[in-house]
Amino acid sequence: AQSVTQLGSHVSVSEGALVLLRCNYSSSVPPYLFWYVQYPNQGLQLLLKYTSAATLVKGINGFEAEFKKSETSFHLTKPSAHMSDAAEYFCAVSEVAGRRALTFGSGTRLQVQP
Amino acid sequence: DAGVTQSPTHLIKTRGQQVTLRCSPKSGHDTVSWYQQALGQGPQFIFQYYEEEERQRGNFPDRFSGHQFPNYSSELNVNALLLGDSALYLCASTELQLPHDYTFGSGTRLTVV
Repeated sequence: AQSVTQLGSHVSVSEGALVLLRCNYSSSVPPYLFWYVQYPNQGLQLLLKYTSAATLVKGINGFEAEFKKSETSFHLTKPSAHMSDAAEYFCAVSEVAGRRALTFGSGTRLQVQP
Repeated sequence: DAGVTQSPTHLIKTRGQQVTLRCSPKSGHDTVSWYQQALGQGPQFIFQYYEEEERQRGNFPDRFSGHQFPNYSSELNVNALLLGDSALYLCASTELQLPHDYTFGSGTRLTVV
């Protein structure tokens, strides 16, 4: 079975500050890992994904994440927050083979203060 | 190129009723998955359809059923609605050759009263 834990349901940063959203996963098989963003009343938009290539993954809007197998982590970072980054962020895991359904964490709401 | 289209965007149903939600996948995609997102939670996998058959299923009761049509569009049916079925229902499409490249729709907000 797979699971995802997102530490911190709410994170608040100042505009221009570093964004760090934490994600730890559990998987009995090699995982694929994803970060999605959700704006109010909208669906999910893919920020980036890890699919067993480079462990440092760069995504859209300046976000990146690093896959650390030893720590079973896939934390999301952005060097400088922008007001438009305020949204809900979800980490998700799926199996490389076999069952491909996404298992999501409970989400982290990012607030960006001016 | 249209992405994933879901209809309706919002609806209100009474407890005990039945509801059908619809999804048109992104052009070129042949696989459709459905997710339920309760307020303040992450999406939960309901089931996935490919070649008009249910291929995978999450931990949802049989009140939740689906269908996929020859044009790859899909329906989600929920019978005997409960208050707890109130949620945002998301459809995601992908293609079998690239099973991890999901495109999500904007969802259908279902309110059960």
